[in-house]
Amino acid sequence: LAKTTQPISMDSYEGQEVNITCSHNNIATNDYITWYQQFPSQGPRFIIQGYKTKVTNEVASLFIPADRKSSTLSLPRVSLSDTAVYYCLVGDMNQAGTALIFGKGTTLSVSS
Amino acid sequence: EPEVTQTPSHQVTQMGQEVILRCVPISNHLYFYWYRQILGQKVEFLVSFYNNEISEKSEIFDDQFSVERPDGSNFTLKIRSTKLEDSAMYFCASSDRFEHEQYFGPGTRLTVT
Repeated sequence: LAKTTQPISMDSYEGQEVNITCSHNNIATNDYITWYQQFPSQGPRFIIQGYKTKVTNEVASLFIPADRKSSTLSLPRVSLSDTAVYYCLVGDMNQAGTALIFGKGTTLSVSS
Repeated sequence: EPEVTQTPSHQVTQMGQEVILRCVPISNHLYFYWYRQILGQKVEFLVSFYNNEISEKSEIFDDQFSVERPDGSNFTLKIRSTKLEDSAMYFCASSDRFEHEQYFGPGTRLTVT
């Protein structure tokens, strides 16, 4: 599994766009990039997954440059309820049943 | 929206006792997992289960741990003789054949005294 590096913490204000970058220099050809979100005392929750270029859903966007050695999770107009830990995971997650290997994640704090 | 459920939400046990943590995965899912998170630390993979057998396990999942799918709906994690260091939040998750997304339950907080 490719090692990932992401900031330990980030601070933002309500209404701002937040971009969390993850480095994964050793990403393999079959690897996908997946982001999970975890609120205190809750289980992680899938946010978005991508392989290359850009993926967007109702919650976030994921930008992946051509070399795929990094990726950026973009949260538009955050609110207080977006305060959580965000995990970047890289692996062959197109294989059903793959174990998720979590790092320490990025703790996002949103204030008013 | 279908969800993974776990019982109990909090379990307190004495060191050396056996505990069984229960999970009801999403009904049409085929892959089941247990993870744990010690307070303030990262989420750690324990075991995955498919077709009534363990498909993958981590170093944490030693002989003290076992998993079972006793019927068509429940998925259990048993810790045979609990230690203080087993105190953690235990999360069950499930996924289907086609999606990569794993759905996590709310967790069981296990406190070993």
